[in-house]
Amino acid sequence: EVQLLESGGGLIQPGGSLRLSCAASGFTFGSCDMSWVRQAPGKGLEWVSTISGGGAKTYYADSVKGRFTISRDNSKNTLYLQMNSLRAEDTALYYCAKAIGGGWSKHDYWGQGTLVTVSS
Amino acid sequence: QSALTQPASVSGSPGQSITISCTGTSSDVGVYNYVSWYQQHPGKAPKLLIYDVSSRPSGVSDRFSGSKSGNTASLTISGLQAEDEADYYCSSYTSSTTVIFGGGTKLTVL
Repeated sequence: EVQLLESGGGLIQPGGSLRLSCAASGFTFGSCDMSWVRQAPGKGLEWVSTISGGGAKTYYADSVKGRFTISRDNSKNTLYLQMNSLRAEDTALYYCAKAIGGGWSKHDYWGQGTLVTVSS
Repeated sequence: QSALTQPASVSGSPGQSITISCTGTSSDVGVYNYVSWYQQHPGKAPKLLIYDVSSRPSGVSDRFSGSKSGNTASLTISGLQAEDEADYYCSSYTSSTTVIFGGGTKLTVL
């Protein structure tokens, strides 16, 4: 059974940093592209970033480029999102999602999310 | 890049069919067959219903179907059931090597 478990969210002041983690199990983690998708309270889904299975290729939304860094440790089956220079508009539930093989823009498994609140 | 355009809400009665549209541009929906549809119930994670415009993952009911014409993709739900009441989101790959989502559509089953 595929499981994705996010952690690391919390309350952080504007300008601060936070690192999210996503522990994966039930599939060959290193063979799958992985993404972070966020959802602000009461709002729609917003794609944040994707990393290739081997970690060599990364992609970012313009809204987070230069501030967020996606990475992975395939030996630990874990995905990360380092978030720096956080802003109020980054407040959201952050989902970890597994991409379907053959294209990283579609995601067949999602975690339950970890909440990030940026506020003073 | 602006979100894909979806109607804010649609409604239908049990047993009926409804269609949700998703309008993009020639930089996303119009040029790539990488349109996906997700269902999200309140407080739950999104669930993939359709990928690559019209493909269904295993386990997804064949009451859900997808199509595309030009810059607009569509999700059709036939034989509407009470449990279909949820939010629905489309997404597409873009020429900027990003993914863009629609604003979401709230489906009400009357």
